[in-house]
Amino acid sequence: AQSVAQPEDQVNVAEGNPLTVKCTYSVSGNPYLFWYVQYPNRGLQFLLKYITGDNLVKGSYGFEAEFNKSQTSFHLKKPSALVSDSALYFCAVRDSNQAGTALIFGKGTTLSVSS
Amino acid sequence: IAGITQAPTSQILAAGRRMTLRCTQDMRHNAMYWYRQDLGLGLRLIHYSNTAGTTGKGEVPDGYSVSRANTDDFPLTLASAVPSQTSVYFCASSTREGGPYNEQFFGPGTRLTVL
Repeated sequence: AQSVAQPEDQVNVAEGNPLTVKCTYSVSGNPYLFWYVQYPNRGLQFLLKYITGDNLVKGSYGFEAEFNKSQTSFHLKKPSALVSDSALYFCAVRDSNQAGTALIFGKGTTLSVSS
Repeated sequence: IAGITQAPTSQILAAGRRMTLRCTQDMRHNAMYWYRQDLGLGLRLIHYSNTAGTTGKGEVPDGYSVSRANTDDFPLTLASAVPSQTSVYFCASSTREGGPYNEQFFGPGTRLTVL
């Protein structure tokens, strides 16, 4: 069965510092991986996805994520955090062997960027 | 403006009452989904529909029903609401053209409280 884990409930960083939000996954086939962001009282917004090809994926708002097959990880990164990046971040996966199903989401990581 | 609309924005409901949450998208997406978001549990899939006329059960379908009479609308019904159904409900959609690696687009959510 497919699953995704976000090991940190909360990540705290200072503005200007690099940030990493961790995500690991488990699938039987090839993974399709996604990151979403949720601002307070809003729906989820798509940030980026990995399907195939280059392991480093660039997305919206300066975010990027690195796919690591051997570690089954897809960590979200940004070189320099902004206070406005403070939000709830979700990693999600779909298994290529279960293409007809919806995404499976992690429990979310709250990112807090201090000024 | 293209996107997903949900109604109502919020609702307080007495236990035992019937409630339908509405979801409409104008992107002509084939697939639609209903999730509930609960603190510490992330997003959990309730029901989904891969195309008009078909529906499927997700991770937590009990107490909920859906219908998909046309492409645009995907209502979620609670036949007899219980307090454990207090949650924030998100509708989402995605296109199936091109394969299973398309991102989902989310509505703004409905905050439901069952007393």
